[in-house]
Amino acid sequence: AQKITQTQPGMFVQEKEAVTLDCTYDTSDQSYGLFWYKQPSSGEMIFLIYQGSYDEQNATEGRYSLNFQKARKSANLVISASQLGDSAMYFCAVPYSGAGSYQLTFGKGTKLSVIP
Amino acid sequence: GAGVSQSPRYKVAKRGQDVALRCDPISGHVSLFWYQQALGQGPEFLTYFQNEAQLDKSGLPSDRFFAERPEGSVSTLKIQRTQQEDSAVYLCASSLITGGYTEAFFGQGTRLTVV
Repeated sequence: AQKITQTQPGMFVQEKEAVTLDCTYDTSDQSYGLFWYKQPSSGEMIFLIYQGSYDEQNATEGRYSLNFQKARKSANLVISASQLGDSAMYFCAVPYSGAGSYQLTFGKGTKLSVIP
Repeated sequence: GAGVSQSPRYKVAKRGQDVALRCDPISGHVSLFWYQQALGQGPEFLTYFQNEAQLDKSGLPSDRFFAERPEGSVSTLKIQRTQQEDSAVYLCASSLITGGYTEAFFGQGTRLTVV
């Protein structure tokens, strides 16, 4: 089974500044991946970024990047140049393959508020 | 449509009433998942379909919960004799292929309130 820990219930960041959202995970899988999703107040989970455990370089998607440290089982999301529209809940998730369904195990999330 | 569509967006049910929640996945997506998201929590897995086959229902909290996907596209999550603890947002997600670490696309969810 997996366990995902997001230790920051809420974060504030000034517009145009960078922010790091923490995520640590515990998995028994040898090969695994890690997803970050954004959930605005509308409710939809929006995919942001993914990295596989055997990827050599940290993933980057536009203003989003992953700071993946396998030895520490940490995969922090870095958002550069924050925008007001970045205010939302952010969830870290790892696929669980034990039942063959690749269901996602989510953390409890971090609420990010961008201040103008 | 282009994305995953869920209906209704909001549902208020009296305790003991049966409800049915619908999910229209992205056309051609083989995998379909249902998740339950309680207030202030991350989504938790309920059940998984590969086409019309329900391969994993380990997350369904009780035998009052039932899901189907008879033709391998639209799926319905049914909750019988609703209880207050069933109040949550129910999210549906689909992905193109089975296995691996492919991106799952989520709908906007159905917010169920049991009164």
